[in-house]
Amino acid sequence: DAGVTQSPTHLIKTRGQQVTLRCSPKSGHDTVSWYQQALGQGPQFIFQYYEEEERQRGNFPDRFSGHQFPNYSSELNVNALLLGDSALYLCASRSTADYTFGSGTRLTVV
Amino acid sequence: DQQVKQNSPSLSVQEGRISILNCDYTNSMFDYFLWYKKYPAEGPTFLISISSIKDKNEDGRFTVFLNKSAKHLSLHIVPSQPGDSAVYFCAAPPYGGSQGNLIFGKGTKLSVKP
Repeated sequence: DAGVTQSPTHLIKTRGQQVTLRCSPKSGHDTVSWYQQALGQGPQFIFQYYEEEERQRGNFPDRFSGHQFPNYSSELNVNALLLGDSALYLCASRSTADYTFGSGTRLTVV
Repeated sequence: DQQVKQNSPSLSVQEGRISILNCDYTNSMFDYFLWYKKYPAEGPTFLISISSIKDKNEDGRFTVFLNKSAKHLSLHIVPSQPGDSAVYFCAAPPYGGSQGNLIFGKGTKLSVKP
């Protein structure tokens, strides 16, 4: 049973560019959350998607946007990248009794 | 304003001894706490949780203690094993039992030496 799958694993982008990160939830999970983990910090909640709608949002600018598809997979989009957006981006999927993280996408902005 | 604080960035213990990882929180409305373990190049994995109606929860070698009056919790690992070497995060959901939105501490890197 595949867990949470994220792609790509690593990515290098230039400041000002746009990036899309992808997440496939664990089988049976219908809710997806995204987190940003900067170096030396704990993960910070970005937003959560359920039934293809954003349900909760953390303290992130609207350069960060997302989408959930009918098959429950999700994308995180970041526009106008800043150097400070360099981080590990984690996706977590959830059912009522289980909350599972993916291994993350390491984004480097140069 | 950091609502969940882990003030020790690192901890080193000898194999077989006890590891104690600490976490403080500022929001008295928090009523559920979780500990996650993270290995390099992997996502965080759930370890153990505790509800505010309890002051202790035990699962094998792992025990979490909650002191609500001090707004403090700790994770005890006994005995510590080299495979326990990882970063440990304390986390709390700000809206009660939902795990959809977790506030994490900065983590403590545990090194267990053989």
